[in-house]
This record gives sequence, structure tokens and C-alpha cells, in this order.
Amino acid sequence: AQTVTQSQPEMSVQEAETVTLSCTYDTSESNYYLFWYKQPPSRQMILVIRQEAYKQQNATENRFSVNFQKAAKSFSLKISDSQLGDTAMYFCAFMTHSGAGSYQLTFGKGTKLSVIP
Amino acid sequence: GAGVSQSPSNKVTEKGKDVELRCDPISGHTALYWYRQSLGQGLEFLIYFQGNSAPDKSGLPSDRFSAERTGGSVSTLTIQRTQQEDSAVYLCASSPSRDRGVLEQYFGPGTRLTVT
Repeated sequence: AQTVTQSQPEMSVQEAETVTLSCTYDTSESNYYLFWYKQPPSRQMILVIRQEAYKQQNATENRFSVNFQKAAKSFSLKISDSQLGDTAMYFCAFMTHSGAGSYQLTFGKGTKLSVIP
Repeated sequence: GAGVSQSPSNKVTEKGKDVELRCDPISGHTALYWYRQSLGQGLEFLIYFQGNSAPDKSGLPSDRFSAERTGGSVSTLTIQRTQQEDSAVYLCASSPSRDRGVLEQYFGPGTRLTVT
């Protein structure tokens, strides 16, 4: 079974500063995908960034970037120039193809990020 | 275009009652997922529909939970004889196809279920 661990239940960062959220995972699969989702108080899960495990290059999306360390099974999210709108729960998620035929997302328990003005 | 919609937004029910939660996926999306988010937890996979294939029910926690998808579009998640531990936010997601579903799951706003 796959597991995803987010060791930081809560974090805070000053506006315009940089923050890094940690995520580790455990799997025996060789082909998989990793995601960071953002969930603001509206409850809508929003995809922030994704990484294919076979790609060595770290994914970036504007102010968001990841540090993917496959051997260490680590997938951290860096948010640069933090904005008030970044305040949300952030979930790390892992996806692979299940035996029953579906692509299931396995989520960590989340990190609550607060951006302080 | 319209995103994934879910109804009701909030539902309060008494223990032992049955509830139905509805999900309208994005038009044309063939894959549909249900997840449960309990307080302070990440999302837990419940069930997956892909086109006309048999659903993947491996995540359903008990036989009180069932789901159907009519006409390959709207889905209903039914919880029978609700228990307090069923209280959670139930999220639905859809994706364009099984293959691209690997990368593109679009989530609805969820239904917050409270069992008293």
C-alpha cells in the first residue's frame, strides 16, 4: 500500500517570503505521479503542481516549484513570494494504477499554511 | 465552462437515516471519483466510475455505502443507516478520460455531511 506523510500540520510565512512544505511517500511502484493540491476555505481542491516520477527535472508553475528526490521518496513544495491568497490547506498526493483498474489518489493529511501580512 | 457541481452543499441528518449525495461532473468527462475527507484528515478514495466499465468499489468503507452513475453522467452516493463516524466532507472529481485522468482530476466543492 502507498502512504503519504506530511510532517508539518501547520506552518506560517510572512507575505513575500518563501516557504517549503515537506512530503514523503512510500511505494514499491516504479511508475507513479505526485501532486500538490491546495484547498482554501471554500473546500474546492485545486491542483497546484504535478510531477511524473520518470522525469528527473523538477516541475515548476510560476511561484510554485517542487524538489523531487526519487531515491529518498521526498516531494517538497516551495512557494516563493508568498501571497495572502496562498493561505490554505496543502495536500500532497500520490497516484498510481490500482489493481482494480482505476487511478486513485492517495493523500497526506495536509499542512495548514497561513500567510501573514 | 461549468465545473463539477455537488448538492447539497451541506446536509444534517439524524443517526440511522439514509442520505443521498449528488455529483454532476463536467460535461464529457468519462471518469468520476468519490472521496471522503474526515475532519483533520486527507482525502480517502471511495469509488471510481469509468465509462460503462464496472466501478472500482475498493474504497467503500462498509456495505452501507453505495454509488451509482446514471447514463455515464450524474452520480449519486448513498449512505444507509448513517452513523456519526460518517460525518465528513464528501468530494467528487471528474476527469476527461481514464488515461488523462492520471493528470487531470477536477474537484467539486463537496458536500459537508453532519450526522447527529
